[in-house]
Amino acid sequence: EAGVAQSPRYKIIEKRQSVAFWCNPISGHATLYWYQQILGQGPKLLIQFQNNGVVDDSQLPKDRFSAERLKGVDSTLKIQPAKLEDSAVYLCASSLVREGAGEKLFFGSGTQLSVL
Amino acid sequence: DQQVKQNSPSLSVQEGRISILNCDYTNSMFDYFLWYKKYPAEGPTFLISISSIKDKNEDGRFTVFLNKSAKHLSLHIVPSQPGDSAVYFCAALGSSNTGKLIFGQGTTLQVKP
Repeated sequence: EAGVAQSPRYKIIEKRQSVAFWCNPISGHATLYWYQQILGQGPKLLIQFQNNGVVDDSQLPKDRFSAERLKGVDSTLKIQPAKLEDSAVYLCASSLVREGAGEKLFFGSGTQLSVL
Repeated sequence: DQQVKQNSPSLSVQEGRISILNCDYTNSMFDYFLWYKKYPAEGPTFLISISSIKDKNEDGRFTVFLNKSAKHLSLHIVPSQPGDSAVYFCAALGSSNTGKLIFGQGTTLQVKP
């Protein structure tokens, strides 16, 4: 079974530029998540989709971050304009359903973003 | 506010010995607790979980203990192997069941041969 695919693996941009990340979840997984992991910290949820609807985007900086999940499959996360503090690993994850028995998320390898 | 805390940034143990990773939380409404393992340049992978109604869950070499009165959980790895060297994240799932996992900062485990 193919895992969660993310691209690109690495991205270096200058502040105020824009950047986009792409995620393809595991086939059949209804729930998709974007997490931000800053160096030395644990992953922090940015946005959660159930099919193509947003379940939780309370921690998404909506003035600069946007995300969409068209047709309930692939998703893109965009930052415009980027700030220095956006330097982090952006992780995409998916799960089959929102399980009550513990949220077993499957993560992609992430996109490491450096904002200079 | 840091609802899930892993106060030890790193841990080093000898191969064959026990590794104990600790995690504290502040919110008594958490329903489930999970441990994820992360190798460099890879995403976290699920390791083991425990429901808040249990105090122990075991899976092979991995056992998670939950002490609700102390709001503390720990992951025991016995025996430790060099391949266990990774970053371990403790995570908690709230009772609202929005699927929002709250992660600790992680503990880097090094198992020496």
